[in-house]
Amino acid sequence: GENVEQHPSTLSVQEGDSAVIKCTYSDSASNYFPWYKQELGKRPQLIIDIRSNVGEKKDQRIAVTLNKTAKHFSLHITETQPEDSAVYFCAASKSSYKLIFGSGTRLLVRP
Amino acid sequence: GAVVSQHPSRVICKSGTSVKIECRSLDFQATTMFWYRQFPKQSLMLMATSNEGSKATYEQGVEKDKFLINHASLTLSTLTVTSAHPEDSSFYICSAEKGTEAFFGQGTRLTVV
Repeated sequence: GENVEQHPSTLSVQEGDSAVIKCTYSDSASNYFPWYKQELGKRPQLIIDIRSNVGEKKDQRIAVTLNKTAKHFSLHITETQPEDSAVYFCAASKSSYKLIFGSGTRLLVRP
Repeated sequence: GAVVSQHPSRVICKSGTSVKIECRSLDFQATTMFWYRQFPKQSLMLMATSNEGSKATYEQGVEKDKFLINHASLTLSTLTVTSAHPEDSSFYICSAEKGTEAFFGQGTRLTVV
């Protein structure tokens, strides 16, 4: 089955700097790659997603890139703000909903 | 967006008892829902796929007789943790798909004492 690896497990950046989180997946049939933000004790919230027919997608300060050949995808957050501090999860799926999650990255944005 | 409601949000139960968690899609129908388990500071681990009108599909290593799943209608799936033990204490969360996006319930924090 699908296996998703995520790095780093923790990331600390200065406010205003960029943050990059990387994930790799094992199943070449996976075609949907969402990113979720989870605050402590709350449900994951979708922040951006990408499908295998595109290589990059951007939404304001957040962007995701996908390299199908290498089977990896990355989340890029620019101009980080303290409210970006949370745990971020990548996921992969062969459909839109049976998601296999990465191990998570705890992002801390220092004021 | 869509709304998925999970109840209860917190529950404390005695060891050996059973606990039922409900997951409802409030404004859409979901033939398939998913149950995840999350330990503190860890990722969401898929436990099972709940299929309306048929048996759930469990992931490897998940005991189907311990984690009973029922999906009796297009808007409701339930997860029952039977004969709960302290090691079952965890954050349980469901999801349902609407269109091409998965929506999560708010989660249930189960503490077994």
